[in-house]
Amino acid sequence: RKEVEQDPGPFNVPEGATVAFNCTYSNSASQSFFWYRQDCRKEPKLLMSVYSSGNEDGRFTAQLNRASQYISLLIRDSKLSDSATYLCVVNWGGGSNYKLTFGKGTLLTVNP
Amino acid sequence: DAGITQSPRHKVTETGTPVTLRCHQTENHRYMYWYRQDPGHGLRLIHYSYGVKDTDKGEVSDGYSVSRSKTEDFLLTLESATSSQTSVYFCASLGQGAGTEKAEAFFGQGTRLTVV
Repeated sequence: RKEVEQDPGPFNVPEGATVAFNCTYSNSASQSFFWYRQDCRKEPKLLMSVYSSGNEDGRFTAQLNRASQYISLLIRDSKLSDSATYLCVVNWGGGSNYKLTFGKGTLLTVNP
Repeated sequence: DAGITQSPRHKVTETGTPVTLRCHQTENHRYMYWYRQDPGHGLRLIHYSYGVKDTDKGEVSDGYSVSRSKTEDFLLTLESATSSQTSVYFCASLGQGAGTEKAEAFFGQGTRLTVV
């Protein structure tokens, strides 16, 4: 089983739609969780961290369920500029080293 | 944005030749990573470093070696390039709060490597 698995997508939605991405991770010792965004031919950039109690940043809501080893990202009122690949990232490690493991990403296209 | 740069940005090389990619960061980050990104596979960890001269293998380390002689530089070497190593390579460094929700990984702009 892959360490981090995401919805394969792609997702095509109209402007204004609500879209949800899901991600599961296999390592129960994972410590921190993130959503990154990657535009075509660009480097990934942090979209938001995922806190244990869930967190919101404007139109974006992230949730974590440690018992189910599940992370989600909800985008409300989607904009054309939200079109990108969304990457689920899990950070685990101990002592002196930490590994960042990425899901394969889910491509979102928001259409006019 | 954190100061992290990769060089070269593009390279075409022949099968069997050695290739070194450089990652340079100016943030004094302890952790640095090399990934490759291929269609259908996402970002896969090649090697990472948790300090000067401290490195470890990732999931796709065969055919690659790394070195970190200074905090700011992390080199990735393909000893004898093969066509299967044609890919986009990203370097990243991990900032404050490693292991917590506060940690943010910053990426270089990527190196597009073609092995012919």
